[in-house]
Amino acid sequence: EPEVTQTPSHQVTQMGQEVILRCVPISNHLYFYWYRQILGQKVEFLVSFYNNEISEKSEIFDDQFSVERPDGSNFTLKIRSTKLEDSAMYFCASESEGPEAFFGQGTRLTVV
Amino acid sequence: GENVEQHPSTLSVQEGDSAVIKCTYSDSASNYFPWYKQELGKRPQLIIDIRSNVGEKKDQRIAVTLNKTAKHFSLHITETQPEDSAVYFCAAQKGVYYGGSQGNLIFGKGTKLSVKP
Repeated sequence: EPEVTQTPSHQVTQMGQEVILRCVPISNHLYFYWYRQILGQKVEFLVSFYNNEISEKSEIFDDQFSVERPDGSNFTLKIRSTKLEDSAMYFCASESEGPEAFFGQGTRLTVV
Repeated sequence: GENVEQHPSTLSVQEGDSAVIKCTYSDSASNYFPWYKQELGKRPQLIIDIRSNVGEKKDQRIAVTLNKTAKHFSLHITETQPEDSAVYFCAAQKGVYYGGSQGNLIFGKGTKLSVKP
């Protein structure tokens, strides 16, 4: 069964450093999302991406965040200057024609 | 924007009993309501979903009901088993139309279900 894959599974970074989280959505899917989950809390929407552009973003997704689909397979989330409060599990998700979203296994980001 | 409330935050049941988790949503434009199960340290996995043109849906031991007028939907698990223990999240999405999807998911805060053998 096709899966959304994310790398790395765990990333530790120093405050102020840039990080790039990578996702390979299921091929032929059209809609891509990033969500985050702070430990013990609910899953929160960050951004959605369709047709090579951002279609929607939340208040969390400020100027420190950016997304890119550099080629036909990868979908990346960049955090320019990480803060302690960015520590969370980041999930990538993709959909074909909807509405079921398939989630990746997540990247645990720890900012120290 | 949409707001999803979920209750209870924790639920403990004996194996074989039923479990019910309830959610309410605020935006009447929401029209797709999935339920996700998340085991510790793992990805959320879709277990059942319902669209707003349907009032109830069942899949073996799991059922979901939707009351559009009251803007609430519920997950029902019958004959619970220890492997049902996990955190369950409800979510709401708007913009779902036939054959397509346009919206992000808004999640509830989750219910930690413990099934005691």
